[in-house]
Amino acid sequence: AQKITQTQPGMFVQEKEAVTLDCTYDTSDPSYGLFWYKQPSSGEMIFLIYQGSYDQQNATEGRYSLNFQKARKSANLVISASQLGDSAMYFCAMREVGYNNNDMRFGAGTRLTVKP
Amino acid sequence: GAGVSQTPSNKVTEKGKYVELRCDPISGHTALYWYRQSLGQGPEFLIYFQGTGAADDSGLPNDRFFAVRPEGSVSTLKIQRTERGDSAVYLCASSLLGTDTQYFGPGTRLTVL
Repeated sequence: AQKITQTQPGMFVQEKEAVTLDCTYDTSDPSYGLFWYKQPSSGEMIFLIYQGSYDQQNATEGRYSLNFQKARKSANLVISASQLGDSAMYFCAMREVGYNNNDMRFGAGTRLTVKP
Repeated sequence: GAGVSQTPSNKVTEKGKYVELRCDPISGHTALYWYRQSLGQGPEFLIYFQGTGAADDSGLPNDRFFAVRPEGSVSTLKIQRTERGDSAVYLCASSLLGTDTQYFGPGTRLTVL
């Protein structure tokens, strides 16, 4: 069963504007972690931000923030003040903290293009 | 410090051949993961090592795939009798014991002709 859903195959944003990339997830485990990774054309997966299921505050890392809505099982990534270098694929991922749950499940990704 | 490194960056082989893909994790990271990423998709989990042992190999698609990490650092993913469907980018990641965040290498692009 699909555990991570990213409904936006592609997104465009004007340079210096903010953009929200959507992510919903499905789990029955009360303890889990949510991640966002950036994958530029070079192929490397770059860690951006992490949110634990028990964290009370939304995670922030520089221009990145995670809009965590637990009841809706939503973990959207907000990028503020977009830069041309933000153009890349963005993946949402989840890791459940259960017995022998060692795999991280990824969504299909969203391709973000920042326009000058 | 140095990140996760993977070699080779590209590997082209013929159907039926054997290949080995290498991953060198971040120094001090005891957990090591292998993922496979097909075109247009997110990475899919293959296998997880904690130290030298494969703690979870539930993601390996079949017995043609095998991985080792004999000294608890470098890992090798081995694929026997390669098939065209094995063509993908193979990603390696590592993390510190007790932490969730995985740091990825640049991947090896495997092409089976």
